[in-house]
Formats: sequence, structure tokens, C-alpha cells
Amino acid sequence: KNQVEQSPQSLIILEGKNCTLQCNYTVSPFSNLRWYKQDTGRGPVSLTIMTFSENTKSNGRYTATLDADTKQSSLHITASQLSDSASYICVVSAGKNQGGKLIFGQGTELSVKP
Amino acid sequence: EPEVTQTPSHQVTQMGQEVILRCVPISNHLYFYWYRQILGQKVEFLVSFYNNEISEKSEIFDDQFSVERPDGSNFTLKIRSTKLEDSAMYFCASRDRVHNSPLHFGNGTRLTVT
Repeated sequence: KNQVEQSPQSLIILEGKNCTLQCNYTVSPFSNLRWYKQDTGRGPVSLTIMTFSENTKSNGRYTATLDADTKQSSLHITASQLSDSASYICVVSAGKNQGGKLIFGQGTELSVKP
Repeated sequence: EPEVTQTPSHQVTQMGQEVILRCVPISNHLYFYWYRQILGQKVEFLVSFYNNEISEKSEIFDDQFSVERPDGSNFTLKIRSTKLEDSAMYFCASRDRVHNSPLHFGNGTRLTVT
């Protein structure tokens, strides 16, 4: 069964600190892996998209890594800001139908405190 | 920056009633999607739509659900006879034709079935 699991479930950090969120997936066939940020009451917003051949991708203070062999990904947030408080969702695209059947993780609820 | 807009933001309906959720995707996008998120749970894929027809649907998307693109701008999700378990946040998303382009999500319609 296609699944995406994330850890930790929730995380509290102080403003300015770094953090790393984890994602493990069992999705076949794999197309790409995406990280989304979802603020409360809003739709998810794309942070990064990585295909099978990409190991790392950055978007400002966000850096995502992908190990397709172990089927693991991480999202590293540098110098956190209060506005980083949100749910971070790992999403894996399954199959040849581009972007259609996205398998969502449960999300990591990040809270950045002053 | 262009965005996906959804209306209404909140819809309350009685069990057995029909509801239509409306979405205006980004104007030059070609692929359209509906997802839902039951409170406290993962975002789930419902259906993808391209070239005026459904390209993929999940097991959730049964005969009670239908989608339509009635004109060049709107994309609707209809639930024919709502059930209590249809209560969820429904997200519309769209993307352009570029391979592995990100999905752009609307801010959702919160459907409450009483």
C-alpha cells in the first residue's frame, strides 16, 4: 500500500534555530517527492519538488534532500522565523500520471517560539 | 501572483442535500484537481481532470461525486446526496503543462454536513 510517514508529529523550536523534518515513503511507482507548507485554514503551498535523480534542492531557507534508495527525505529549515510556524507536509507523486495521484503524509506541526 | 480561488469558504448543508463547490483555477493551467482533508487527517486525492475529462479518480470519488468545467474559468465539484462523513475541507488545485510543475492549491471550502 502506498504510504508516506513523517516524523516528528510536532516540533517546537526557538526563533533563529534550525530544524530537520523527516519523511519515509513506500510509494510505487515513484514519480517525484514534494514538500508543502500549510498554514492553518489555508491550502498547501509548494516548497520543493524533487525527482528520482535529484538528491537535494533548496528554496531560500528550506533545503530538501532525497535518498531514493532508502526512500527517505528530509526538509531542513535554517534560521527559523515565527512565520515558519505551520504544518509541513511530505507528498509523493505516484505513477506516470503527472502530479495527479499525490500521496500525502500526515504532516509535521512546527511551532516557532520567540 | 495569480492564485486558485474557491467559493464558498464555508458551506453548511443538511444530510441528503446536493452541494456544489466552486473553483476558479489559474487561467493558463490545464490540469485540475480536487482533494479533501477530514479534520485531523491527511489530505486525500479525489480526482484529476484534463482536456475536459476525468484522468484519474480515487476510490473515495464514487457515484455521488461529479466534476465539471462548465466554462473556460470554473471547475466545480458536486456531491449529489451529502452524508455526514463528507464533512471536510475540500481543496481545488491546478497546474500548468510543464513536467513536474507544482500544484497550486486554493484555500479550500469547509463543508459541514449536519
